[in-house]
Amino acid sequence: GAGVSQSPSNKVTEKGKDVELRCDPISGHTALYWYRQSLGQGLEFLIYFQGNSAPDKSGLPSDRFSAERTGGSVSTLTIQRTQQEDSAVYLCASSLGHSQPQHFGDGTRLSIL
Amino acid sequence: AQTVTQSQPEMSVQEAETVTLSCTYDTSENNYYLFWYKQPPSRQMILVIRQEAYKQQNATENRFSVNFQKAAKSFSLKISDSQLGDTAMYFCAFIPTSGTYKYIFGTGTRLKVLA
Repeated sequence: GAGVSQSPSNKVTEKGKDVELRCDPISGHTALYWYRQSLGQGLEFLIYFQGNSAPDKSGLPSDRFSAERTGGSVSTLTIQRTQQEDSAVYLCASSLGHSQPQHFGDGTRLSIL
Repeated sequence: AQTVTQSQPEMSVQEAETVTLSCTYDTSENNYYLFWYKQPPSRQMILVIRQEAYKQQNATENRFSVNFQKAAKSFSLKISDSQLGDTAMYFCAFIPTSGTYKYIFGTGTRLKVLA
């Protein structure tokens, strides 16, 4: 597709389960970002990838959160042992490079019961 | 610490009128980029406009323009001839040109255009 694709669009899971969120960036975009958007809040930066490496992981809230990117393309964000405070919309964005305009996916709405 | 503040949680404007959304930021950096993004109810975030701090000329994109005041650290967005499709959350964002990859977003302004 032409845009950033995220899956699943919605995820409901029980507290304590692991979840994996996927992001397919725009082809050729080397920069990839993950954000968390809680109700009534702005976007909280989680992690930045340049190619397959993550020079900035400073936004990951705890060691339950991890992310990887393979082949300079698809990225997965994994949350282990989910907690209710992890409930949010997780947005992925890609761009041609750092500080270039970002193209966002539709997000994954994660609900922890 | 770098921060972005949007002091208007909600605003409304009549169709065809002009509205200005405010954004202030705090940084010790001299070179950076500023952005306005729009998030309609459908959820996908879309870039509205981008400003480079070293450029004195205010950026414009059709009905959207900014008033960039570097000394005051202010970056307001003006929407002219408001349309119903402009109804959305608007986020101001900041990133230095070097030293960090972490974008800082404001908490957003919910704009409603009234028919």
